[in-house]
Amino acid sequence: AQSVTQLDSQVPVFEEAPVELRCNYSSSVSVYLFWYVQYPNQGLQLLLKYLSGSTLVKGINGFEAEFNKSQTSFHLRKPSVHISDTAEYFCAVSETDSWGKLQFGAGTQVVVTP
Amino acid sequence: DVKVTQSSRYLVKRTGEKVFLECVQDMDHENMFWYRQDPGLGLRLIYFSYDVKMKEKGDIPEGYSVSREKKERFSLILESASTNQTSMYLCASRSGLNGYTFGSGTRLTVV
Repeated sequence: AQSVTQLDSQVPVFEEAPVELRCNYSSSVSVYLFWYVQYPNQGLQLLLKYLSGSTLVKGINGFEAEFNKSQTSFHLRKPSVHISDTAEYFCAVSETDSWGKLQFGAGTQVVVTP
Repeated sequence: DVKVTQSSRYLVKRTGEKVFLECVQDMDHENMFWYRQDPGLGLRLIYFSYDVKMKEKGDIPEGYSVSREKKERFSLILESASTNQTSMYLCASRSGLNGYTFGSGTRLTVV
């Protein structure tokens, strides 16, 4: 069975500074990887996904993530954050033969201040 | 735009009540899922369904059941609500290799 670890529960960051959210996973089979964002009082929205191919994946709102198979990581980055990026971010993993079941990390709360 | 609609945004129920949470998707997706979200625990899978009348247990199915009589509707049932089932419940659907589409969630409080 797969598992997902988000290494930071909360990340404070100043506006226009870069941010990196760390995600590590474990699985004995091939996986698909996802990052979701949840704004206050809303459902989850897909930021980006890695299915295959290039290990650098670009998503919405200027976010990108890099899949590193040897380190079993899928860290999320943004070079310059805005106040509107304040939200909770979830890393998720789906084993390729699992009916699409997602295993989520515990989440990272990003707080952007001026 | 694709939509997943959860019938209630907020719900307050009494201990021991039978509770139904409804989810409807308009995308003709095969797979539907119910998660609960708790602070510090992320989302945990309760049940999922890969076709009409088909269901599979997720990681935390105890105290819950589901029903999928039509492709577009996936219901979560709390047979006898307890206070430890107070949580945010999220429904999602999926087709192919795309990520999920989530509903806005139902915040259930059991008193």
